[in-house]
Amino acid sequence: DVKVTQSSRYLVKRTGEKVFLECVQDMDHENMFWYRQDPGLGLRLIYFSYDVKMKEKGDIPEGYSVSREKKERFSLILESASTNQTSMYLCASSLSQDNQPQHFGDGTRLSIL
Amino acid sequence: KQEVTQIPAALSVPEGENLVLNCSFTDSAIYNLQWFRQDPGKGLTSLLLIQSSQREQTSGRLNASLDKSSGRSTLYIAASQPGDSATYLCAEDTGRRALTFGSGTRLQVQP
Repeated sequence: DVKVTQSSRYLVKRTGEKVFLECVQDMDHENMFWYRQDPGLGLRLIYFSYDVKMKEKGDIPEGYSVSREKKERFSLILESASTNQTSMYLCASSLSQDNQPQHFGDGTRLSIL
Repeated sequence: KQEVTQIPAALSVPEGENLVLNCSFTDSAIYNLQWFRQDPGKGLTSLLLIQSSQREQTSGRLNASLDKSSGRSTLYIAASQPGDSATYLCAEDTGRRALTFGSGTRLQVQP
């Protein structure tokens, strides 16, 4: 079974802090993704990566950056946290071949005070 | 811009009923359509993936169909159970590897 592990289930940070969200997958997947989920807006793609050190912007990358130094780990960075970044953050991974399902972690509920 | 719409937003049915959840998408250049389940406060669990060349996929009591020409997919749940209560999301893959999601249908199955 694929396991996607997000380092924290709940996180509370202050405005202006630099925040790191970590995601690790154990199935040697090439693709990794960060989404955020907000009521009424659904899941929206922030960034994704299809290989080590590769990254592509999603639909809402502003205020975020990512790092993929190792294949199994994909980090989301909030450079200077703001209250509008309070959200549920979901990490996912998949194989690089066409038509492969995405596998999700349990999410990190982040509150910015 | 791709859009994925799910109707209804919420649904409540008595246990044992068969039900259909609807998903429509605007981009006909679809690679696949995926259905997920999300329990409260949790991540998403993959249920079914239908490739663009397929018409339907089945897993247990679940059956998903895909009609590219009309831009629609349906998820059929047979003999619903209280344990099926969750939010069901559909998502479209148009080949950019990432998914575009609908807002989901929140299903409540009453015992």
